[in-house]
Amino acid sequence: AQKITQTQPGMFVQEKEAVTLDCTYDTSDPSYGLFWYKQPSSGEMIFLIYQGSYDQQNATEGRYSLNFQKARKSANLVISASQLGDSAMYFCAMRDFHGSSNTGKLIFGQGTTLQVKP
Amino acid sequence: DAGVTQSPTHLIKTRGQQVTLRCSPISGHKSVSWYQQVLGQGPQFIFQYYEKEERGRGNFPDRFSARQFPNYSSELNVNALLLGDSALYLCASSLAGAGANVLTFGAGSRLTVL
Repeated sequence: AQKITQTQPGMFVQEKEAVTLDCTYDTSDPSYGLFWYKQPSSGEMIFLIYQGSYDQQNATEGRYSLNFQKARKSANLVISASQLGDSAMYFCAMRDFHGSSNTGKLIFGQGTTLQVKP
Repeated sequence: DAGVTQSPTHLIKTRGQQVTLRCSPISGHKSVSWYQQVLGQGPQFIFQYYEKEERGRGNFPDRFSARQFPNYSSELNVNALLLGDSALYLCASSLAGAGANVLTFGAGSRLTVL
């Protein structure tokens, strides 16, 4: 069964420092996608970054990068040069691409609350 | 460009009542999905519609139903409300139904059941 695990309920980081948010996943499908979303207190889920299971390089989007280790089934989000506006809840999510589960449905983890200190 | 819009933003209902939540996708997006997010947890998949047909359904009771209209907007209906239905209901749209397509979420409808 598909599963996403985020083991860090809360994290603190000093402004301008880098932080890594952990995510491990489980799936039997060889073709899948991994997504990270940010959810501020307003509630809206904001897409940050995507990694496909067959992508050769780790994904990067501005200050966000994804440390994808396929053998370990981990897809950690790295935020460089943290800003006060990065304080939010962060969710890792996965979608399988094949089989009967190919509905477009995302499986989300429990989330990690990040607080950036000035 | 308008993002995904949801209405109402907040609502309060009592047990046993019925609620209808509405969602307008980004222009050009043909897929709409609904998620329930209980406080302190990640979103849980409820439904996905693509080209007005149901493409997927999560593990929710038959009290939950949805539909997609010809203009690709969507409604989520919940009957016989329970206290446990209190949650943030998120709508998301995407260009296509699956694969690597990124879901763009709305700000949600926060439902409180008393």
